[in-house]
Amino acid sequence: AQTVTQSQPEMSVQEAETVTLSCTYDTSESDYYLFWYKQPPSRQMILVIRQEAYKQQNATENRFSVNFQKAAKSFSLKISDSQLGDAAMYFCAYSDFGNEKLTFGTGTRLTIIP
Amino acid sequence: GAVVSQHPSWVICKSGTSVKIECRSLDFQATTMFWYRQFPKQSLMLMATSNEGSKATYEQGVEKDKFLINHASLTLSTLTVTSAHPEDSSFYICSARDRRGNSPLHFGNGTRLTVT
Repeated sequence: AQTVTQSQPEMSVQEAETVTLSCTYDTSESDYYLFWYKQPPSRQMILVIRQEAYKQQNATENRFSVNFQKAAKSFSLKISDSQLGDAAMYFCAYSDFGNEKLTFGTGTRLTIIP
Repeated sequence: GAVVSQHPSWVICKSGTSVKIECRSLDFQATTMFWYRQFPKQSLMLMATSNEGSKATYEQGVEKDKFLINHASLTLSTLTVTSAHPEDSSFYICSARDRRGNSPLHFGNGTRLTVT
């Protein structure tokens, strides 16, 4: 079974600075998807970024980028120019290619310091 | 953008009663919807996959007779917690994907269930 591990329960960063959230996963599949989701206090799950495993290029979405290391099974999220609205729980998630079932990590609570 | 509506957003019920939670895709059709459960300060755990027109597929350890799932149309899936107990108190979230194209999953805004 696939597993997703987030080793940082909590992180904090100064506003406008850069922070990196870590995620590792375990799978025997070669094709799969990786995701970062944001869950603010409203509890709404918001997709931040998605990476397809067969793509070597790291995905980016504005201030959000990932460092995808397939061999190491590592998928970290970098948030640049942190803003107060970035404060939330961040979940790393995995799904097999062609299967929409998501396996989530335990989450990292990100605090932005003004 | 695509929206998934979940209702109610919160509910309080007494032990032994049943509670129904609805998950609707408002502007797209979804042949598959997913139901997750999230305990306080914990991650989301997949409970079951809801398939339109057929039986739901439950994850290991999830009681199908307790958590009844019905996916009667392409825009609606319901989760009924039967004979609820305090340990069923949790946050329940559904997700769905437009069956057309390669769009990402959309999540509902969740339902907080409290069983007294």
